[in-house]
Amino acid sequence: NAGVMQNPRHLVRRRGQEARLRCSPMKGHSHVYWYRQLPEEGLKFMVYLQKENIIDESGMPKERFSAEFPKEGPSILRIQQVVRGDSAAYFCASSPDRQETQYFGPGTRLLVL
Amino acid sequence: QKEVEQDPGPLSVPEGAIVSLNCTYSNSAFQYFMWYRQYSRKGPELLMYTYSSGNKEDGRFTAQVDKSSKYISLFIRDSQPSDSATYLCAPQEGGNEKLTFGTGTRLTIIP
Repeated sequence: NAGVMQNPRHLVRRRGQEARLRCSPMKGHSHVYWYRQLPEEGLKFMVYLQKENIIDESGMPKERFSAEFPKEGPSILRIQQVVRGDSAAYFCASSPDRQETQYFGPGTRLLVL
Repeated sequence: QKEVEQDPGPLSVPEGAIVSLNCTYSNSAFQYFMWYRQYSRKGPELLMYTYSSGNKEDGRFTAQVDKSSKYISLFIRDSQPSDSATYLCAPQEGGNEKLTFGTGTRLTIIP
């Protein structure tokens, strides 16, 4: 059973470009979570999604960030008009149900030049 | 004040020593307490999970929770070089899916 998959593993963008991060949950998992890890800081919750629904987006910045988890395909975290402060590791986790163990992917490291 | 405080280290101990890692928290709504281990450039992996105050043991690892003082500990016995990683405490409110992570403690076991 493959674990949580994230791609790309590394992403370089120039200021003002868009970044798209993908997360494929573990097989049988319909709950996805996105966390961001800034240098020298702990992981910060961003958003929790269930298939086709955003359940909790209390950690999402108000502008430029959006997330989706369509009925088919991976979950996408989209960052528009990236700025240098967006440089971080973005981790996706999945669980089979609410309040179940969250399994993390290897992360996508975003560098904004 | 941060919801979860964790000494970032780094912490270096000789192989075979007992390691004590700690977190304090301020949110009384936290009911579930997780410890994750994160190797360099990898994603966090769940190490221990506890619900109530008290101890939980799993092999060389023991998780301890004291809700009255809002204090969480992870003990590693007979530490091995392969235990070298960053350890993250992650408490969780009941009915709330998001994990609130500490900054992590970077641990190095010296052979």
